[in-house]
Amino acid sequence: GAVVSQHPSRVICKSGTSVKIECRSLDFQATTMFWYRQFPKQSLMLMATSNEGSKATYEQGVEKDKFLINHASLTLSTLTVTSAHPEDSSFYICSAIGGGRETQYFGPGTRLLVL
Amino acid sequence: QQQVKQSPQSLIVQKGGISIINCAYENTAFDYFPWYQQFPGKGPALLIAIRPDVSEKKEGRFTISFNKSAKQFSLHIMDSQPGDSATYFCAASMADSWGKLQFGAGTQVVVTP
Repeated sequence: GAVVSQHPSRVICKSGTSVKIECRSLDFQATTMFWYRQFPKQSLMLMATSNEGSKATYEQGVEKDKFLINHASLTLSTLTVTSAHPEDSSFYICSAIGGGRETQYFGPGTRLLVL
Repeated sequence: QQQVKQSPQSLIVQKGGISIINCAYENTAFDYFPWYQQFPGKGPALLIAIRPDVSEKKEGRFTISFNKSAKQFSLHIMDSQPGDSATYFCAASMADSWGKLQFGAGTQVVVTP
């Protein structure tokens, strides 16, 4: 199957700082990437959809100024959590589709802890 | 509001037994139904997926049964193994929002030795 990587895998930061998470499709060109958030023992909640070269589409209730998404190339999307607060602590997971495939491949996730 | 309802929330099955997880949906525009397996601290991995024109799909020990009229689909894990202990999510997406998955709440499966 296709491989999607995320970096970093874990990050701890102080309240008020910004954190950037990278999502890369390693062996295919991702026309669309998705960002999800998952709280402990809960399901995945879609935050936003990003297409290469265009603005991300955010789901209802997701602050676009807080969660900045950039999909600058067909293999890289970044999520920046700006002015992070403890309530932003969560597991952030990206996924990607493309390369003529219908399957959505998920990254390994990034654990964010805001102190 | 969860568009895909999943049950049970948790499941304990003995090694060699059958694990059955059920999902139901309302939106008839859904046309792609994947199942994902997630281990703690990891991202979900696709197990098997089905489209509404097929009533059953089998891959190894995993089978999806799909009932279009009832708007229900289920995952059967045959000969369950301790290594199958994980959280399983059903999901659904529509053709006109390709890739935008609506996930069920998840089922934690524990397979006892």
